[in-house]
Amino acid sequence: AQKITQTQPGMFVQEKEAVTLDCTYDTSDQSYGLFWYKQPSSGEMIFLIYQGSYDEQNATEGRYSLNFQKARKSANLVISASQLGDSAMYFCAMRYNNNDMRFGAGTRLTVKP
Amino acid sequence: GAVVSQHPSWVICKSGTSVKIECRSLDFQATTMFWYRQFPKQSLMLMATSNEGSKATYEQGVEKDKFLINHASLTLSTLTVTSAHPEDSSFYICSAYRGPGTEAFFGQGTRLTVV
Repeated sequence: AQKITQTQPGMFVQEKEAVTLDCTYDTSDQSYGLFWYKQPSSGEMIFLIYQGSYDEQNATEGRYSLNFQKARKSANLVISASQLGDSAMYFCAMRYNNNDMRFGAGTRLTVKP
Repeated sequence: GAVVSQHPSWVICKSGTSVKIECRSLDFQATTMFWYRQFPKQSLMLMATSNEGSKATYEQGVEKDKFLINHASLTLSTLTVTSAHPEDSSFYICSAYRGPGTEAFFGQGTRLTVV
């Protein structure tokens, strides 16, 4: 069965520091995509970063980077220089060959001033 | 970037009535759209895959007669919650892909409250 696991229900980080949000996955598919989304209290889903299973380099988008370790089946999100506006729910998601996207349980990040 | 618009953003309805939620891709054609449900403090759970011109594919445990999906055009999918009950109160959100290898674009979501 294909599964996305986020083991951290909540995380705290001091403003301006970096934080890593964990995500592991399980799939037998060779081709898949890994995504991170941010969901503030408004409910909208904000795309942050994407990593393809065949991408050799870790994806980066501004302050976001994805630590992709294919052999370990992990795709951790690193947020550098945290800002107060980063406080939100963060979801790791996986897109399978049939185009379904499944989500992990999410991690609530709180940035402390 | 691509935009997916969802309407209404919130709705309150009486128990037993039906509610229709629209999901539109504004600047691209979407042959497939996805409907998710999210209960408070939980993750998004895929309900069904909406396919233009054909029947939707429902996830196990989702009642197809209760959650009617229509994907009549390449830019519009609708989800109708029929005979809504308080336990159907939730956050419903749609998504669509512009193409292979791209991120999913999400609608703003609809907060449904059944009283």
